[in-house]
Amino acid sequence: KAGVTQTPRYLIKTRGQQVTLSCSPISGHRSVSWYQQTPGQGLQFLFEYFSETQRNKGNFPGRFSGRQFSNSRSEMNVSTLELGDSALYLCASREQETYEEQYFGPGTRLTVT
Amino acid sequence: AQSVTQLGSHVSVSEGALVLLRCNYSSSVPPYLFWYVQYPNQGLQLLLKYTTGATLVKGINGFEAEFKKSETSFHLTKPSAHMSDAAEYFCAVTYSGNTPLVFGKGTRLSVIA
Repeated sequence: KAGVTQTPRYLIKTRGQQVTLSCSPISGHRSVSWYQQTPGQGLQFLFEYFSETQRNKGNFPGRFSGRQFSNSRSEMNVSTLELGDSALYLCASREQETYEEQYFGPGTRLTVT
Repeated sequence: AQSVTQLGSHVSVSEGALVLLRCNYSSSVPPYLFWYVQYPNQGLQLLLKYTTGATLVKGINGFEAEFKKSETSFHLTKPSAHMSDAAEYFCAVTYSGNTPLVFGKGTRLSVIA
């Protein structure tokens, strides 16, 4: 099976713009989680979607949003970008409803200037 | 609230030496514990996990970890370091399997020839 894919891999945006990142889970996986990774804060959970429904949400402002489509592909959107949003955004998928077996994609490196 | 502390943001060992990466967790209920590895420009790969049962867990690439409830620890070890082990290692905890993982800040492992 193909692994988790994320597009684009690298992105440069200007402060105030918005951005959409995409994640395609492993075939058959219904759950997608998003994480933000920064040198200062480490890995922080953004949100999780299971069968098109948001099931968990981390402590991030409303500028961060996401959705999941019927084919389990997921997108996350960040509006009104700030310099502090520069990070590696990781997507993870799993087949089961528990967090035991998550498979991570390579991430999207977002740079906000 | 759950938390994970990884002692040492950077550990350096000689090739062939013992690898010991420390992880202590805080959880009010029995935890599920994980170790992930991240190579440069890649996502996270699951090394091993503890959910229930045997407290000594063996993972991929010769790594193992022991769950010690009395010490609230889940340290990662490998008897003999290889150059290919150089990467960043993350310890993570959840307590129900249905709540998102909480990650430690990570430990960067360097292996010296």
